[in-house]
Amino acid sequence: NAGVTQTPKFRILKIGQSMTLQCTQDMNHNYMYWYRQDPGMGLKLIYYSVGAGITDKGEVPNGYNVSRSTTEDFPLRLELAAPSQTSVYFCASSYPGGAGNSYNEQFFGPGTRLTVL
Amino acid sequence: GQQLNQSPQSMFIQEGEDVSMNCTSSSIFNTWLWYKQDPGEGPVLLIALYKAGELTSNGRLTAQFGITRKDSFLNISASIPSDVGIYFCAGLFSGGSNYKLTFGKGTLLTVNP
Repeated sequence: NAGVTQTPKFRILKIGQSMTLQCTQDMNHNYMYWYRQDPGMGLKLIYYSVGAGITDKGEVPNGYNVSRSTTEDFPLRLELAAPSQTSVYFCASSYPGGAGNSYNEQFFGPGTRLTVL
Repeated sequence: GQQLNQSPQSMFIQEGEDVSMNCTSSSIFNTWLWYKQDPGEGPVLLIALYKAGELTSNGRLTAQFGITRKDSFLNISASIPSDVGIYFCAGLFSGGSNYKLTFGKGTLLTVNP
């Protein structure tokens, strides 16, 4: 299994440009997530999905859109790039969280480093 | 929103030394997680803790879920150069179908050979 793959690895955008960050997982995970990581900070959840056709906002969704047409893919769309969106973006996936206190590990991709100038 | 305070922000140690880092929260979590991130990579789960008071080991790593459910610590014994990286704590509050992780800001560990 390749696990979670993300493309591109690096990208530089001009203010106002748009782009899509791709994320694919081959582990048949229902849950997928998008995080951003700013320097010296932890990861903040942008959007997540509990299955194909279902998405929900995380902590910092403004300026982003997502779709989930298949189990495998969870692209993240930036419509009007702004300098504040300069960050490293991580996609992750997991099986559904179990009942009670069980937790299903989130597997992370290698990240996409985005710079908006 | 929920806040996690992770300390220290960074550590510089000699190979062979033990390391300790911790996280505290203003809110209760029902799962605590510890991740390691190598340069240019995504985080990888090291240890998951599910019960207050739980003490769990993974090789040279030991982590505990605080009794109050608002804190956790991670110890690394006999550090080696490959322990270098950023260590993140994360708290999980699960309710219904939502499983949202809150991450600390990370502890940057440097190990001098």
